[in-house]
Amino acid sequence: QLVLTQSPSASASLGASVKLTCTLSSGHSSYAIAWHQQQPEKGPRYLMKLNSDGSHSKGDGIPDRFSGSSSGAERYLTISSLQSEDEADYYCQTWGTDIWVFGGGTKLTVL
Amino acid sequence: QLQLQESGPGLVKPSETLSLTCTVSGGSISSSSYYWGWIRQPPGKGLEWIGSIYYSGSTYYNPSLRSRVTISVDTSKNQFSLKLSSVTAADTAVYYCARHWGVYSSSSNRDYWGQGTLVTVSS
Repeated sequence: QLVLTQSPSASASLGASVKLTCTLSSGHSSYAIAWHQQQPEKGPRYLMKLNSDGSHSKGDGIPDRFSGSSSGAERYLTISSLQSEDEADYYCQTWGTDIWVFGGGTKLTVL
Repeated sequence: QLQLQESGPGLVKPSETLSLTCTVSGGSISSSSYYWGWIRQPPGKGLEWIGSIYYSGSTYYNPSLRSRVTISVDTSKNQFSLKLSSVTAADTAVYYCARHWGVYSSSSNRDYWGQGTLVTVSS
């Protein structure tokens, strides 16, 4: 079964970096994912597609502070030089031939 | 830039059918290799995929909702629609439409989201 697992929460200081993790279920380590950001009281915003080899394609206007990387079944979103507006929920998403799945989301707090 | 906008009733009675439309601007809904989908978010909860339609007309539904969901496209209006039947209070959520990645997406794809619309199921 295709499942994505995310930690419910993370925190980091203003100006620092943070690395969020999304883990693919067993047998699905080659799958690409997408990362989405949802700021408080707003709709989701596409950040990037992240492939198993770490290559990624970002959405329109996404700053270079946002980057992605991969290792095995883990997919990472790294945000550097944290700003207050980065405080948001971050969701990963993946897909098979006829199904799409979201992770439970990680709530990022910027201290 | 591609824009998506949801529209439809904000209040639906239990046991009735929820109907929403997504209007796409800045691009053609029938362009090759794109997926168009519906996602919802109950208050205070995470995102749930409802279903999607490929540019060819193929449809895909969340197994947990399949018996109640229909997604269709109107290429003449550059719109796609969602119908969810026999709704209950558990279907109360913000409903989003989106263009999103899929297995057969072009490498040039980028996801886009609508702003979302709150649908409340209540008598």
